[in-house]
Amino acid sequence: ETGVTQSPTHLIKTRGQQVTLRCSSQSGHNTVSWYQQALGQGPQFIFQYYREEENGRGNFPPRFSGLQFPNYSSELNVNALELDDSALYLCASSSDFLSYNEQFFGPGTRLTVL
Amino acid sequence: DAKTTQPNSMESNEEEPVHLPCNHSTISGTDYIHWYRQLPSQGPEYVIHGLTSNVNNRMASLAIAEDRKSSTLILHRATLRDAAVYYCILMDRAAGNKLTFGGGTRVLVKP
Repeated sequence: ETGVTQSPTHLIKTRGQQVTLRCSSQSGHNTVSWYQQALGQGPQFIFQYYREEENGRGNFPPRFSGLQFPNYSSELNVNALELDDSALYLCASSSDFLSYNEQFFGPGTRLTVL
Repeated sequence: DAKTTQPNSMESNEEEPVHLPCNHSTISGTDYIHWYRQLPSQGPEYVIHGLTSNVNNRMASLAIAEDRKSSTLILHRATLRDAAVYYCILMDRAAGNKLTFGGGTRVLVKP
């Protein structure tokens, strides 16, 4: 069984640019969540997708957007990058929205904004 | 979101038990108590969760106070691979399947 994978591993962008991060869910999982983890802090919930629909959003501005595809892979898009967007971005998949099963995290994408 | 309070760090000797406390005095009746840990340079991984009764699995045990205002994660025999940041999280069913992480407890295991 393949675990959660994310790409790219590292990324460097400049302020004002746009970035797309990708996540492949664990096989059979239909829910994906995205988190932002600043250095030395716990992850912060950005949003969640369940069967291609957004299903909950944290305290992040609209320039953070996402997609979930029919194969349940997902993208996180960030527009107009700011220096404070520098962080580790984690995605997590789970198998059933209603059962509150454990979430399986990927290794993350380290984004640096200069 | 209901908040949790954990010590910033704890030290343990290898092969000794580790008891990680978590206070959650504002817990509601529908909140589940989840524990995740994050090893260096990795994403978080699920450890255990419970609602009211104590729970055991291959990784750890979770002891929940009778009033549910606190809980303790127990690692029975710490190994060097257990060195990580451990997060105690309350998951509110009504808010969906999201995890609200706090600062966690950094566990150092000494050989």
